[in-house]
Amino acid sequence: GENVEQHPSTLSVQEGDSAVIKCTYSDSASNYFPWYKQELGKRPQLIIDIRSNVGEKKDQRIAVTLNKTAKHFSLHITETQPEDSAVYFCAASKTQGGSEKLVFGKGMKLTVNP
Amino acid sequence: KAGVTQTPRYLIKTRGQQVTLSCSPISGHRSVSWYQQTPGQGLQFLFEYFSETQRNKGNFPGRFSGRQFSNSRSEMNVSTLELGDSALYLCASRISGEGQPQHFGDGTRLSIL
Repeated sequence: GENVEQHPSTLSVQEGDSAVIKCTYSDSASNYFPWYKQELGKRPQLIIDIRSNVGEKKDQRIAVTLNKTAKHFSLHITETQPEDSAVYFCAASKTQGGSEKLVFGKGMKLTVNP
Repeated sequence: KAGVTQTPRYLIKTRGQQVTLSCSPISGHRSVSWYQQTPGQGLQFLFEYFSETQRNKGNFPGRFSGRQFSNSRSEMNVSTLELGDSALYLCASRISGEGQPQHFGDGTRLSIL
């Protein structure tokens, strides 16, 4: 089955720096890659997603890139702010019979120091 | 539009008991998935329901079961609870279709004593 690896597991940056989170996946049939942000005690919130027919997507300070050949995708956060501090999860899924099962990475704890 | 609603928010049970968790999806969302979140294993897929039918299942024992009603609300049941079942159980709903995002509820925190 699908396996998603995420690294690093923790990252600490100064406010205003950039942060990059990298994920790799094993199933070449995976075609949907969302990123979730989870603050302490709260629900995972979708922050950006990308489909396999797109190589890059950007939304304000957040961008995601996908390399299907290498089977890896990355989240880039620019001009980090203290409120960006959270755990970030990458995930991969493929559509099978209309069903989509998300396989998550282990998460990365981002700390943005003011 | 109201988000995904899960009840109860917290539950304390003892080993051997059973528990039922409830999830009301976003209006118009017919697909409901359940995930277990633990510090050690992270987020793991339990199962997905669509139109009252289970159409995908993760690698969990048969003690974990679920169902979906005609209004798309879903319940998850865990029987013969074990200490290792202590976790945050998250429900997510989405519109049907390829690559449609899943939206999560706040979860039910289950503690087994």
